[in-house]
Amino acid sequence: DIVMTQTPLSSPVTLGQPASISCRSSQSLVHSDGNTYLSWLQQRPGQPPRLLIYKISNRFSGVPDRFSGSGAGTDFTLKISRVEAEDVGVYYCTQATQFPPYTFGQGTKLEIK
Amino acid sequence: QVQLVQSGAEVKKPGASVKVSCKVSGYTLTELSMHWVRQAPGKGLEWMGGFDPEDGETIYAQKFQGRVTMTEDTSTDTAYMELSSLRSEDTAVYYCATHGFDLWGRGTLVTVSS
Repeated sequence: DIVMTQTPLSSPVTLGQPASISCRSSQSLVHSDGNTYLSWLQQRPGQPPRLLIYKISNRFSGVPDRFSGSGAGTDFTLKISRVEAEDVGVYYCTQATQFPPYTFGQGTKLEIK
Repeated sequence: QVQLVQSGAEVKKPGASVKVSCKVSGYTLTELSMHWVRQAPGKGLEWMGGFDPEDGETIYAQKFQGRVTMTEDTSTDTAYMELSSLRSEDTAVYYCATHGFDLWGRGTLVTVSS
């Protein structure tokens, strides 16, 4: 199974400042069809996860444009250009290139300083 | 508006089984590929299994093979996840989610305690 490793595991950020989360996979996430099935999920406190980004850099419906995804191969990044209070929560990367199974990173907790 | 509505919280004794439901509204179940993900208290996400649209089969994570059964009732647009031989480590919130994770249920807390 592909192992997903996120850094940092905790990220205290000042409101209005940028934030960045990294995700590394144990194998390339480039699928034989040419796509890279790397997604980012956000889980606010007490809520279910929510899809933010799919296929590295595509924002899901309703996701603010302050969220962006980038990367290739085994290294990926989620960036928030200016953190808002509603962004507090845990962020997970997940892959579906080598499905089954889906695998997730450990999660990165974003909190306000 | 598509929604996944899950059944309510359950408390079970060790060794028992639990069956969690996930009803689709605003869509039909046959148009979706449903998966189940669980989250132990204070922990991360763990995929349990779901419908693989490529193969047309339901597949289970190796960890749960033999203990989990995922079924669907297309007449009521409801998906089910049954987990047997429960132990304390199965205490978690169980989520249904569509393939690709673009839609999630609100979760069902299953507590296993003697």
